[in-house]
Amino acid sequence: AQTVTQSQPEMSVQEAETVTLSCTYDTSESDYYLFWYKQPPSRQMILVIRQEAYKQQNATENRFSVNFQKAAKSFSLKISDSQLGDAAMYFCAELYNQGGKLIFGQGTELSVKP
Amino acid sequence: KAGVTQTPRYLIKTRGQQVTLSCSPISGHRSVSWYQQTPGQGLQFLFEYFSETQRNKGNFPGRFSGRQFSNSRSEMNVSTLELGDSALYLCASSLGQGITAKNIQYFGAGTRLSVL
Repeated sequence: AQTVTQSQPEMSVQEAETVTLSCTYDTSESDYYLFWYKQPPSRQMILVIRQEAYKQQNATENRFSVNFQKAAKSFSLKISDSQLGDAAMYFCAELYNQGGKLIFGQGTELSVKP
Repeated sequence: KAGVTQTPRYLIKTRGQQVTLSCSPISGHRSVSWYQQTPGQGLQFLFEYFSETQRNKGNFPGRFSGRQFSNSRSEMNVSTLELGDSALYLCASSLGQGITAKNIQYFGAGTRLSVL
């Protein structure tokens, strides 16, 4: 069965600094997508960034970037210049089996200190 | 463009009752997926509907069911509620065509169900 693992239940970062959240996955699929979603206290799940497995280039969205290591099945999220509004639960997820089913990690709760 | 709309936002039910949750996808999206979020189990996939057909199903008992209408709106039903069904139920929509960028899922704000 496909699994996604986030080994850091909680992380903390100082405002304006950089933090990296870890994620590993275990898939037998050859074609898949990986995502990072953010869930603030409002509980609205917000897409942060996505990575297509067939692309070697790491995805970047403004202050957010990923380090995608396909052979190691690792997919970490780097947040640069952290802001107070980045405080949230972050979920790593894999899109599985022809779409429609996301497999989520357990989440990492990120706090940002002013 | 309006986002994914879930109604109601909050529900309180008692054990043994049944409940129906509604999800209206983003206009043009044909796939609707449902997830259950609890502190203990995290986010778990319930099922996915595409063009009125259930295409994927998670490991939940038969008390959990769903359907999708011709306008892509979806409903989820839970019968004979148990205390353990208390959770945040999230709905997500996508264009729904294979493993492509078209399958990015956009989420609603969720329905918080409390079973007493």
